[in-house]
Parts: sequence; C-alpha cells; structure tokens
Amino acid sequence: AQKVTQAQTEISVVEKEDVTLDCVYETRDTTYYLFWYKQPPSGELVFLIRRNSFDEQNEISGRYSWNFQKSTSSFNFTITASQVVDSAVYFCALWGFMNTGFQKLVFGTGTRLLVSP
Amino acid sequence: GAGVSQSPRYKVAKRGQDVALRCDPISGHVSLFWYQQALGQGPEFLTYFQNEAQLDKSGLPSDRFFAERPEGSVSTLKIQRTQQEDSAVYLCASSAAPASGLYEQYFGPGTRLTVT
Repeated sequence: AQKVTQAQTEISVVEKEDVTLDCVYETRDTTYYLFWYKQPPSGELVFLIRRNSFDEQNEISGRYSWNFQKSTSSFNFTITASQVVDSAVYFCALWGFMNTGFQKLVFGTGTRLLVSP
Repeated sequence: GAGVSQSPRYKVAKRGQDVALRCDPISGHVSLFWYQQALGQGPEFLTYFQNEAQLDKSGLPSDRFFAERPEGSVSTLKIQRTQQEDSAVYLCASSAAPASGLYEQYFGPGTRLTVT
C-alpha cells in the first residue's frame, strides 16, 4: 500500500528562520514520484516540485530546497529565511500504484506552517 | 491563461438534498481528477477521467456519489441524499496528459460543502 506520513501537524517560526518540513513515504513500487504542494488560505493547491524515484539529487529553487533520501524513504522540504507569505499548509504526496491497479496521487495529512513577523 | 475553476465556491445543503458541483478544467487538458478534503486532512482521490471516459472511480465513498464529464471538458460531481459526513472541500484538478506521475496536476480552489 502507498502511504505518506507528515508527522508535524503545525510549525510556528519567526520570519527569517529556516524551517524543515518532514515527509516519510511507503511504497513497494520501484518507480514512483514524489510531490510537494502548498495550500494557502485561498484553498488552491499550488505545485512546488516533482521528483522521480531514480533521481536522488537534492534540488534548490530560490529559498526552497528538497532532500530526497531513498534509504530512509524521506523527502524533506526546507525553507530558508522564511517569510510571512510562506504561511500555508504544505502537503507531500506520492504517485504510485494502488491495490486497484491504477495509479493515483496519495497525500499526507499536511503540515501547517505559521510564519510570524 | 485561465486556471481550473470550480463552482459554487461554497454550498450549504440540508441533509437529504442533492448537490451538483462543477469543475472547469484548463482548456485542452485530457485528465480530470476529483478529490475530497476533510477538515485538517490531505486531499483524497475520488475519481479520474481521461477525456470523457471515467477510468477510475475507486475512491467514490458510496453509490450516492456520481461524476460525469460527457464532452471531455467540464465535469460535474453529484452527491445524492447528502449526509453530514459528506461535509468537506471538493477539489478538482486537471492535467495535460493521461494520468502519470510525469505530469503535474493543476488544482482548482475547491467547493466547500457543508451539510446541516
């Protein structure tokens, strides 16, 4: 079965602090994809990154960086020098095969990030 | 260009009423997905269309839930005889190609359904 665990329910930081959001996944597939989405108060999920299971290189995009480690089944997300606009709920998701034989996106429960001035 | 739009944004229904939620995907997008997001939870897959064909409806929680996409563009999610446990945000997403981890899904703002 596919499963995504985001153990941190809510994180509060002060602006300019660095923050890491944890994501642990379970899958028996050898080929799969991992995603991070941001959900601001408006409700719309915004795509941040996609990573396939064969590419373990870390990625940096501005203040955002992602650390993918297959050995620990983790795909963690770090925001450097956080800003108030980063306040949102962040979801980690896994694309893989289900018991039904179809592929679909499975989301974690999300981590709410609150960045205060 | 226009993103995915959903209407209504908010819907209040009395228990037992039928509701219809609309999704307008990005023009030309082949794939359309519906998700249900309960309060404090991540989105959960309901159903998937490739053009007008509903290829996966394994996530629909009961036979009260029905989705269609008759012309391969706009989709409607219908819930019959609504129950309180149906209260959630219903998200629609579209993708440019057949369902694959290679293609990101673009999400709409959702419809918040409250059943009283």
